[in-house]
Amino acid sequence: EPEVTQTPSHQVTQMGQEVILRCVPISNHLYFYWYRQILGQKVEFLVSFYNNEISEKSEIFDDQFSVERPDGSNFTLKIRSTKLEDSAMYFCASMAGATRVSTDTQYFGPGTRLTVL
Amino acid sequence: AQSVTQLDSQVPVFEEAPVELRCNYSSSVSVYLFWYVQYPNQGLQLLLKYLSGSTLVKGINGFEAEFNKSQTSFHLRKPSVHISDTAEYFCAVSKGGYQKVTFGTGTKLQVIP
Repeated sequence: EPEVTQTPSHQVTQMGQEVILRCVPISNHLYFYWYRQILGQKVEFLVSFYNNEISEKSEIFDDQFSVERPDGSNFTLKIRSTKLEDSAMYFCASMAGATRVSTDTQYFGPGTRLTVL
Repeated sequence: AQSVTQLDSQVPVFEEAPVELRCNYSSSVSVYLFWYVQYPNQGLQLLLKYLSGSTLVKGINGFEAEFNKSQTSFHLRKPSVHISDTAEYFCAVSKGGYQKVTFGTGTKLQVIP
């Protein structure tokens, strides 16, 4: 069964450094998402992406964050200058959306644990 | 705005006993409801979803949930749990289509042998 993959599984970085989290959505899916889960808290929506542009973003997704689909398979989340509070599990998700059917489901990857020191 | 409340942060239950994980939602519009499961060190897996139609929804691994519009609830149940059901369970809501999913805080199900 096709699945969303994410790399790396764990990333450790120093405060102020840039990080790029990578995701390979399910092939032929058209909608892409990033969510994050700070330890002990709920999973929170960050951003959705469709047709090479952001569809929606939360207030968390400020100028330090950006997303990109650099080629036909990868979907990346970049944090320009990491802060301690960016430490979290980051989940990528994708959805088929070929017919914009409301019954589509988002499929989640295994997550990348980001630790900012 | 939509929101989800999971009333129990942890639920311990003995193996082969029944379990119910509670979820209440609020929304000003019709929503779709989901239960996701997260096994240790793994991602989020869809257990089941309610979109419309029958209010009793069956999912994978013997789980089912019942949508109750008057009580704005979507509780998850299993008649007999197994050790392998030990995981964290997230209730979630969406307006449907390509809209974002809003998650509850999660309930950790601990199955005791």
